[in-house]
Amino acid sequence: EADIYQTPRYLVIGTGKKITLECSQTMGHDKMYWYQQDPGMELHLIHYSYGVNSTEKGDLSSESTVSRIRTEHFPLTLESARPSHTSQYLCASRWSTEAFFGQGTRLTVV
Amino acid sequence: DQQVKQNSPSLSVQEGRISILNCDYTNSMFDYFLWYKKYPAEGPTFLISISSIKDKNEDGRFTVFLNKSAKHLSLHIVPSQPGDSAVYFCAAIGFYGGSQGNLIFGKGTKLSVKP
Repeated sequence: EADIYQTPRYLVIGTGKKITLECSQTMGHDKMYWYQQDPGMELHLIHYSYGVNSTEKGDLSSESTVSRIRTEHFPLTLESARPSHTSQYLCASRWSTEAFFGQGTRLTVV
Repeated sequence: DQQVKQNSPSLSVQEGRISILNCDYTNSMFDYFLWYKKYPAEGPTFLISISSIKDKNEDGRFTVFLNKSAKHLSLHIVPSQPGDSAVYFCAAIGFYGGSQGNLIFGKGTKLSVKP
């Protein structure tokens, strides 16, 4: 069983607030990812990291930022939340081929 | 431009019968193909994968078939069970050009298995 954790599971927040979605893994994987998914749509890659101090933007433009100061930790931050940020955010880590996902954070911005 | 396509948004089958989920791709440089299963409000869980040098991989009730010439793969579930009801995502990854590779996902197919 994969050991990757996301908090919070659900978050309802007002417009303009700053939020950080947490993601931690205990598998020692170098590669970590953030995906955004809306119902009926594919998982869109918004950020990825191949190791400490390495971060890249993904295929889908996002107003969020990420950091990778420690191997096990890959938080995502929204400086000013907007209703358009309402979505499910999925964190994953990978060693070889398959990626292991956390349980996701369902974010609602009102 | 979608590189991984799942053209059937939904599929309904009877318990005990075969479920066949299809996936097409456009990039001939992909090295591996993977299937994930996702329940609502949960993260995807890995099911089965296949290397681009193989044409079949089997794991219990799940079998994935790859047709490279057609750029098509399918996931067969036999026999289907009500607990298989979920959204199934097809994904692909390529390590060409020295890339470390990122998973690219299709839009998913919602499978409903009726008792």
